[in-house]
Amino acid sequence: DAGVIQSPRHEVTEMGQEVTLRCKPISGHNSLFWYRQTMMRGLELLIYFNNNVPIDDSGMPEDRFSAKMPNASFSTLKIQPSEPRDSAVYFCASSSPGNQPQHFGDGTRLSIL
Amino acid sequence: ILNVEQSPQSLHVQEGDSTNFTCSFPSSNFYALHWYRWETAKSPEALFVMTLNGDEKKKGRISATLNTKEGYSYLYIKGSQPEDSATYLCAPRREAGKSTFGDGTTLTVKP
Repeated sequence: DAGVIQSPRHEVTEMGQEVTLRCKPISGHNSLFWYRQTMMRGLELLIYFNNNVPIDDSGMPEDRFSAKMPNASFSTLKIQPSEPRDSAVYFCASSSPGNQPQHFGDGTRLSIL
Repeated sequence: ILNVEQSPQSLHVQEGDSTNFTCSFPSSNFYALHWYRWETAKSPEALFVMTLNGDEKKKGRISATLNTKEGYSYLYIKGSQPEDSATYLCAPRREAGKSTFGDGTTLTVKP
């Protein structure tokens, strides 16, 4: 049974470039979450979707960040333009309806030079 | 956003010691609480789903209890082993709301 799949695993790019992170949730899960892990703030929720609809994006740092979920099996997190302070590990997670826990992908380690 | 507090922030124990951590959260409108285990360089993995006041869950040497009336959950590890070294996160959730993760307790078990 495939888990949450994130790509790429690692991304190194220069500041100012557009970065797109991708996530495929577990089939049948109706909630999808994007998190950022930093040393200072731990695991920080950026945005979450329920049935492909963004419910809470209050954690998105600024307008440079955007997320979409065009269908139940795919989501993207985009940073444009990227800055060195965006360097972090970005996790995607999904969960099924009810009180079930979240299942996390392996994360994307992003480095902005 | 829920105010979730986990204590202690970090813990160093010797192999064979038993230990416990605390997760505190607002008790109003409680829906569920999840415990996760997060090993270095990996992603968080769910340990327990807890929903009812008085719930007790167990997986091997790890167990957890829940008190929804006073707003806390305890995680216990009996006879800690080096492979138990990880950060343990709790994530309570209110009805119709998202889970809020605590900052975690980082456990280091020395051989």
